[in-house]
Amino acid sequence: DAGVIQSPRHEVTEMGQEVTLRCKPISGHDYLFWYRQTMMRGLELLIYFNNNVPIDDSGMPEDRFSAKMPNASFSTLKIQPSEPRDSAVYFCASSRGSKPVEAFFGQGTRLTVV
Amino acid sequence: GIQVEQSPPDLILQEGANSTLRCNFSDSVNNLQWFHQNPWGQLINLFYIPSGTKQNGRLSATTVATERYSLLYISSSQTTDSGVYFCAVGAGSYQLTFGKGTKLSVIP
Repeated sequence: DAGVIQSPRHEVTEMGQEVTLRCKPISGHDYLFWYRQTMMRGLELLIYFNNNVPIDDSGMPEDRFSAKMPNASFSTLKIQPSEPRDSAVYFCASSRGSKPVEAFFGQGTRLTVV
Repeated sequence: GIQVEQSPPDLILQEGANSTLRCNFSDSVNNLQWFHQNPWGQLINLFYIPSGTKQNGRLSATTVATERYSLLYISSSQTTDSGVYFCAVGAGSYQLTFGKGTKLSVIP
């Protein structure tokens, strides 16, 4: 299995621009998670989906952030408009099962907003 | 929410030395994972260990759920072991709460 695939690996954008991060979970996994890693706050959950349905988005920082999962093999995290404080590494992870089980992480997208 | 504390925050080892990393958590958990974040930023799964003991090569882990802690043992450390080691726990939900990590530097 190719693992969780994220794109792009690096993104540099100007403040105010729209940014879209992409994730392909491991085939057969029915849970998908978006995490953000910053020096100040460490790794924190933004949102997660089960069977393509958002279950908990309480970690999404504000309305500028939105996430979708149109099908079992694809999810996006969008920031519009982007701000310098959004600069971070964004990880996507997936897992399978009806109870909490091992989650596998993608390589992350390093976002820099200038 | 659940609190996760990892110790030590930083660790410098001579190649070949052994080490023990600790993870304390504040509540009962049904999910516990250890990750290694390598210098390129990738999060690599080491162990899924909500309870018990597991071993994988030079690494082993033990979780004593009743006493709310987990230990990661690294034996005969190598320079490729350098990076940050994270403990992440889940308590009743699918959310993983991460500790701040232990930064390990293995010097030749």
